[in-house]
Amino acid sequence: EAQVTQNPRYLITVTGKKLTVTCSQNMNHEYMSWYRQDPGLGLRQIYYSMNVEVTDKGDVPEGYKVSRKEKRNFPLILESPSPNQTSLYFCASKGLAVPETQYFGPGTRLLVL
Amino acid sequence: GENVEQHPSTLSVQEGDSAVIKCTYSDSASNYFPWYKQELGKRPQLIIDIRSNVGEKKDQRIAVTLNKTAKHFSLHITETQPEDSAVYFCAASSQEAGTALIFGKGTTLSVSS
Repeated sequence: EAQVTQNPRYLITVTGKKLTVTCSQNMNHEYMSWYRQDPGLGLRQIYYSMNVEVTDKGDVPEGYKVSRKEKRNFPLILESPSPNQTSLYFCASKGLAVPETQYFGPGTRLLVL
Repeated sequence: GENVEQHPSTLSVQEGDSAVIKCTYSDSASNYFPWYKQELGKRPQLIIDIRSNVGEKKDQRIAVTLNKTAKHFSLHITETQPEDSAVYFCAASSQEAGTALIFGKGTTLSVSS
């Protein structure tokens, strides 16, 4: 089954404690991205990657890092989480064929205390 | 860059009524306009999309219209049902490979029976 997976689905952490949210897709998609969803603000892109070892900032990259060492994986790293990063995070992927449907992962709900 | 405005932010209708959600975009290069539905606690899922060479597209009770001159597109849901209750997001992107989808802030649709 074609899918995007994320782990963990729920996470409670404390300020400053590094964490990683994993994202994996099995559709051989080149393009992967991370969004955060906050009430009233919709879906805002954090980072994206057009292929292995190619990453770029989205609209709200501050406080986040990403890596793309393999085509299927695109982890999101919060090296020193702060309470304002409490949010619902979605990973997404799509091919580079034009235009291509974007598929979302199930979401990770993060609470930073 | 692209900016997508979506209205209304909330919409309440009675079962059987029609619902219309409108979006405007700023970048005349945009030519792909998908709509996503997000049920409570779930990931956004594509429900319909339209490309710039088409003015209207229908899929059962859902239709999308596009006015490129005015840079706006709309989602029309006819004969609404309680299961249509969700948050709906419009988005826009150009046809250039790997271009990010820019999302509107979402419309919360409530269908009461």
